[in-house]
Amino acid sequence: GEDVEQSLFLSVREGDSSVINCTYTDSSSTYLYWYKQEPGAGLQLLTYIFSNMDMKQDQRLTVLLNKKDKHLSLRIADTQTGDSAIYFCAESPMDSNYQLIWGAGTKLIIKP
Amino acid sequence: SAVISQKPSRDICQRGTSLTIQCQVDSQVTMMFWYRQQPGQSLTLIATANQGSEATYESGFVIDKFPISRPNLTFSTLTVSNMSPEDSSIYLCSVDGGRGASEKLFFGSGTQLSVL
Repeated sequence: GEDVEQSLFLSVREGDSSVINCTYTDSSSTYLYWYKQEPGAGLQLLTYIFSNMDMKQDQRLTVLLNKKDKHLSLRIADTQTGDSAIYFCAESPMDSNYQLIWGAGTKLIIKP
Repeated sequence: SAVISQKPSRDICQRGTSLTIQCQVDSQVTMMFWYRQQPGQSLTLIATANQGSEATYESGFVIDKFPISRPNLTFSTLTVSNMSPEDSSIYLCSVDGGRGASEKLFFGSGTQLSVL
């Protein structure tokens, strides 16, 4: 069935780059998303990529999509303490009518 | 992007009572959704709130437990009825981005519910 998988935790040093990985199963997905959830808060749409793109860059964020391997990654350059959050990967299958398939979330821990 | 106001932001409730959560959007949106996020877990879609008709519930969720209203294109409520401690979760309202951004889903800040 449809599934999105992520590692549960990632620990990086402040100032280093963080790379959060995600694999998905539905090749019909038109959009893939990264959402950020800070403690006690709702979800914030960070960025998204259309399935016919390989890469998307937005300031410190770089999204890479390998459609052949169904692999999505989010790179955060120069990681700051404010980047501490849970990052959710989600896919939008073509016939889903907005019903996203969600990963379990990766908790990003920043070490000083 | 749509601006979503969700309230209450948190509540502590007694077993057997009901809580109604409100979601107000600053623009008309086609799709409104209600999600549940249990502690330490990802999001589970409860239902799609349909304007002018009954909500569409996902497997495992029923109208008697989670009645939903959607009187217009900018507002919806979710009621958690006859609560038990197992209902302790974050409940999130979500909307589509509307014209020009319909491929994006935006979320309210969530309602953290604790049931004693």
